[in-house]
Amino acid sequence: DGGITQSPKYLFRKEGQNVTLSCEQNLNHDAMYWYRQDPGQGLRLIYYSQIVNDFQKGDIAEGYSVSREKKESFPLTVTSAQKNPTAFYLCASSIVRGSYEQYFGPGTRLTVT
Amino acid sequence: DAKTTQPPSMDCAEGRAANLPCNHSTISGNEYVYWYRQIHSQGPQYIIHGLKNNETNEMASLIITEDRKSSTLILPHATLRDTAVYYCIVRPLLDFGNEKLTFGTGTRLTIIP
Repeated sequence: DGGITQSPKYLFRKEGQNVTLSCEQNLNHDAMYWYRQDPGQGLRLIYYSQIVNDFQKGDIAEGYSVSREKKESFPLTVTSAQKNPTAFYLCASSIVRGSYEQYFGPGTRLTVT
Repeated sequence: DAKTTQPPSMDCAEGRAANLPCNHSTISGNEYVYWYRQIHSQGPQYIIHGLKNNETNEMASLIITEDRKSSTLILPHATLRDTAVYYCIVRPLLDFGNEKLTFGTGTRLTIIP
């Protein structure tokens, strides 16, 4: 089945540690996105990538880094510089022509203590 | 992106039509109306989108007013599985370099048995 996978579903880290969240898609989509969601809030864009080896900052990129070495993969690293890393992280992908609907993964809930 | 306004919550009886309103009074001529929903602790799911004509798919219908300043998402026969937060979003269709979806806080729809 085609889709987006994120792993793990739950992740726990100590403060000061970097952590990398995985996102893989087999939809052959060119564009991929990372969003952050806090309780009771909407989604906020962290980074997006329209093509391999290229990515753009979203609204809240500080403290995060990404890479796009393969079309299928767009990992997100939450660095120790991110002041409030505990959140629900969502990865999405879309085509870059046409109606643009984004397909979302199941999310990773990160807790940093 | 143009701002949208949605009621924070709504209830609907199971089996009845759920009508979710959205105001987007500052929408531009090239901006589409998209609807997504998010079931608790899952990634958002695309529902439908439209420009000015009414649209229907297997999930829902979208009614856009003639002046395009508001729209209504209709779930014709609501089931308990439709309980979710519904997001109304406006964005240009071909807008390379501004690919984010701006999610507000949406409408929390509860289907009552």
